[in-house]
Amino acid sequence: GENVEQHPSTLSVQEGDSAVIKCTYSDSASNYFPWYKQELGKGPQLIIDIRSNVGEKKDQRIAVTLNKTAKHFSLHITETQPEDSAVYFCAASWATGRRALTFGSGTRLQVQP
Amino acid sequence: EAQVTQNPRYLITVTGKKLTVTCSQNMNHEYMSWYRQDPGLGLRQIYYSMNVEVTDKGDVPEGYKVSRKEKRNFPLILESPSPNQTSLYFCASSPGLAGRYYNEQFFGPGTRLTVL
Repeated sequence: GENVEQHPSTLSVQEGDSAVIKCTYSDSASNYFPWYKQELGKGPQLIIDIRSNVGEKKDQRIAVTLNKTAKHFSLHITETQPEDSAVYFCAASWATGRRALTFGSGTRLQVQP
Repeated sequence: EAQVTQNPRYLITVTGKKLTVTCSQNMNHEYMSWYRQDPGLGLRQIYYSMNVEVTDKGDVPEGYKVSRKEKRNFPLILESPSPNQTSLYFCASSPGLAGRYYNEQFFGPGTRLTVL
């Protein structure tokens, strides 16, 4: 089955700096790669996703890049703000069948004011 | 408001006492799923349902049951809970397939279960 590794497990940045979280996946059949943000006491919320026919996607301060050959994808947050502090999860999946999201183990991002 | 709701949000129980965690979505989604979240392991899928009366096992189904009698509801049943089922549980739902891709999974707020 799919296996997703996520690094780092914790990340502390100063407000205004950039943050980068990296994930690798094992199943070359995976074709959907979402990123979720989980705030304390809440369920994961999708912040951005990318599909296998796209190499990069951007939405305001967040961007995701995908390298299918190397089987890795990354989340980039620019101009970080204290409200970006949360746990971030990457995930990988394929479009058919049970559509299970295989999650990475999470990155706790702390943005210091 | 479009949402996935779960009840209860917190539950402490004892080994062997049957329990049910309810999940309901008001978005008319076909697909629903249960995940458990454990420290350092991310979220792992327990069971999923592609539509009414269609359910199947995920990665960690042992000790759990589900049913999908109505489109909006997808309860998770623990017939004889054990301490290793202490975890944070999330229900999620998603629209049906759109072309070759599926859509975002919307997560509920979570149920923290402790089995003593």
